[in-house]
This record gives sequence, C-alpha cells and structure tokens, in this order.
Amino acid sequence: DADVTQTPRNRITKTGKRIMLECSQTKGHDRMYWYRQDPGLGLRLIYYSFDVKDINKGEISDGYSVSRQAQAKFSLSLESAIPNQTALYFCATSDWGGRNTGELFFGEGSRLTVL
Amino acid sequence: QKEVEQDPGPLSVPEGAIVSLNCTYSNSAFQYFMWYRQYSRKGPELLMYTYSSGNKEDGRFTAQVDKSSKYISLFIRDSQPSDSATYLCAMRGGAGGTSYGKLTFGQGTILTVHP
Repeated sequence: DADVTQTPRNRITKTGKRIMLECSQTKGHDRMYWYRQDPGLGLRLIYYSFDVKDINKGEISDGYSVSRQAQAKFSLSLESAIPNQTALYFCATSDWGGRNTGELFFGEGSRLTVL
Repeated sequence: QKEVEQDPGPLSVPEGAIVSLNCTYSNSAFQYFMWYRQYSRKGPELLMYTYSSGNKEDGRFTAQVDKSSKYISLFIRDSQPSDSATYLCAMRGGAGGTSYGKLTFGQGTILTVHP
C-alpha cells in the first residue's frame, strides 16, 4: 500500500459543487501539505499543517479550506468549485527529524476537472 | 516575479546525451536545494538534495548550487530513456526564516530522452 494515499484519484464535477479531496498517510509524519500543479506553473502550495492543531495558508489558499482530522489525515475542500480550479492536486508529508532535509513525500495525485 | 524560475522546456535529447537543467531564484534566504523527479501520472520524488553552495554527485546525476549567482543546476550524464520525466527544482530557507517550513518549487522541466 502507498504511504500517502489520496482519494479520489479522478473527479469530474460541475461549477458550484462542493468537493472534498482526502489524504491519509502511514509514514507517521507530523507535517502535511496540499499542493496544486498546473502546466507551466509547477507546484504551488495551498495549505500546510505542522501538527493537528496547526493550519497555515500557502500562496494560493483563496477558494480552498482544509481540515486536519488526525495526524494521519488532511483533507482539502472546495466549497464552490469553479473551472479555474481544474488541476492536479497533490498531498505531501514530511518529517524533519534529525536529517532536517525537508524532503516531501507525495501521494499519486487527484485530478480534478470542474466543468 | 516568481521566487524560483525554471525553463519548462520541453527538452528532447538523444540517449547518451548530457542534460543540463537549471533554476534561478531571488530569495537570498534559501539554503536548502533539491531536485525532484516526476514520472507521468505519479507524484514527485526526491532525486538530489544539497545544502548551501557546492556540488553533489550521485551516480549519473550531479547537482550544483551557486548561491552568489542564485543559480542551481542538475546535470544528467549518459542520459537514458528511463530518465524521461518532469524535473522540478525546489528550495527552502533555514531555521528562523519565513521560508523554513515549506518548499518553493520551480515550474518543472519536461525531459524526453529518445533511443
């Protein structure tokens, strides 16, 4: 099983619908992130959480919200989806520990299409 | 201006060629530099990690950082078709800085190595 699991892997929805993308991890990491990937724009940070009680906005948080339900679970919500939120979404975790590299471990992505 | 700039390519080279991938950045607080590799329909995975200026070699891959020029490079020697992927540079600051807890990514370069 994957260490970082995202559901759903693919979703097509309509403008105005509420969508939730879920992420769960078995790596035991405290830090979790949601990124969005668009062609030519790379990965952009939406929200991040350093522990269950800590939630921080990233560079493109407008139109998104998150919930850290447990150390292992971090969900991303689009309250009212719009077409320019069509993108590939990645959840990631990190454990800074002694190595302190900040390496991110990514899920396989959730492709969202908003019509 | 983006904090991290990376030529998105695409870059197409014959098998055996030397590949050079580059990123420039504007934030002088960045101290940790990474290269991620992303295969089609997969999440990115850490390929190389470098702290501060200097070179690091791992097999056919060499990462270089020039902090004075705010320029990082990834060289791939004897490139193989299996190296075909998107390569993303990423970087972050050290402890105490605003960029400490999260990575900033370049746009990613799409590389194709053809037999």
